[in-house]
Amino acid sequence: KQEVTQIPAALSVPEGENLVLNCSFTDSAIYNLQWFRQDPGKGLTSLLLIQSSQREQTSGRLNASLDKSSGRSTLYIAASQPGDSATYLCAVSNTGNQFYFGTGTSLTVIP
Amino acid sequence: DAGVTQSPTHLIKTRGQHVTLRCSPISGHKSVSWYQQVLGQGPQFIFQYYEKEERGRGNFPDRFSARQFPNYSSELNVNALLLGDSALYLCASSHLASGGFTGELFFGEGSRLTVL
Repeated sequence: KQEVTQIPAALSVPEGENLVLNCSFTDSAIYNLQWFRQDPGKGLTSLLLIQSSQREQTSGRLNASLDKSSGRSTLYIAASQPGDSATYLCAVSNTGNQFYFGTGTSLTVIP
Repeated sequence: DAGVTQSPTHLIKTRGQHVTLRCSPISGHKSVSWYQQVLGQGPQFIFQYYEKEERGRGNFPDRFSARQFPNYSSELNVNALLLGDSALYLCASSHLASGGFTGELFFGEGSRLTVL
């Protein structure tokens, strides 16, 4: 069974810092890897999708990379802002029917 | 364009009762998935439906059931509610890519169920 781990569980940084969130998975035979943002009590907002044939995706200040062979992905956030404060979730799909989620990294950006 | 919509947003039930949650996917999406998120955890897969057929089921008891309608909306039903069913229930819609794999997931705001 696929297991997804996210480190650190919580992170607090001053505004303007660049930061990296980590995601690791046990089964490298993935089809998709997707990063989400979740605000307290809300649903998930899709940030970036990386297909298995891709190495990275970029959207604005966000950059996600994928290394299937080592079972790792990173989400890089440049010039962090207080509005970036949220929980960031990583999810991977294997067979294509379901996504397996990590427990998330809770990010606080201090003004 | 409207995103994924779910109803109700919040509901409170007592043990043993039944609940029905509803989801309307993004226009053009034919696949709907249901996830359960317990406080402090990542979402857990419950079901996926495509073209009204079940294409995947997670490790949940038979008290959980779902269906998809011709307009691609979906219902999640939970019978004989237990305290442990208290959670945020999330619906996601997606395209299916070539090969039948699930594409990018788009989630609704969820239905917060509290079982007393």
